[in-house]
Amino acid sequence: GQQVMQIPQYQHVQEGEDFTTYCNSSTTLSNIQWYKQRPGGHPVFLIQLVKSGEVKKQKRLTFQFGEAKKNSSLHITATQTTDVGTYFCAFKLIFGTGTRLQVFP
Amino acid sequence: KAGVTQTPRYLIKTRGQQVTLSCSPISGHRSVSWYQQTPGQGLQFLFEYFSETQRNKGNFPGRFSGRQFSNSRSEMNVSTLELGDSALYLCASREGWNTEAFFGQGTRLTVV
Repeated sequence: GQQVMQIPQYQHVQEGEDFTTYCNSSTTLSNIQWYKQRPGGHPVFLIQLVKSGEVKKQKRLTFQFGEAKKNSSLHITATQTTDVGTYFCAFKLIFGTGTRLQVFP
Repeated sequence: KAGVTQTPRYLIKTRGQQVTLSCSPISGHRSVSWYQQTPGQGLQFLFEYFSETQRNKGNFPGRFSGRQFSNSRSEMNVSTLELGDSALYLCASREGWNTEAFFGQGTRLTVV
């Protein structure tokens, strides 16, 4: 079945540093979604990418969809403590393994 | 619009018992999917229901089952509980199967 792998599994950064999580699929994806789950909370939708090579920005967050539509990335510039949580990519009903981000003040 | 409602929020059960969890999706959403979340395993897809039919199924044993009613509310049942079934069970509501998922707060199940 469809599998979506994410790396890294964990990332600890100092506040102000950048952070990137990568999502990879063995097959071509028609689209990809990103979600954020705060500690103790539930996943919340962030964005959906559809086009090959697409780049979308939300304030300090930059989302990219690979040219071959087999990978995607989420980059956070100058992390803040409010960025703490687990970030998941998702394709249709399947979620990636997630990257847990911890930000130290 | 009300969000996705899951009940109960917390549950403690004994090994061998069975449990039923409930999910009320956002009004108008016909797709309801269930996920198991454990610390080491991320979000594991259980199954998806659409218009009262199970449309997709993950790799879980037959002890895990579900159903959806005509009002789109869904229930998930786990029989013969095992200690490893302790997890957060999340329900997601979608307008279509490839659209944004709206999650409920989850049911935290502890099996002792």
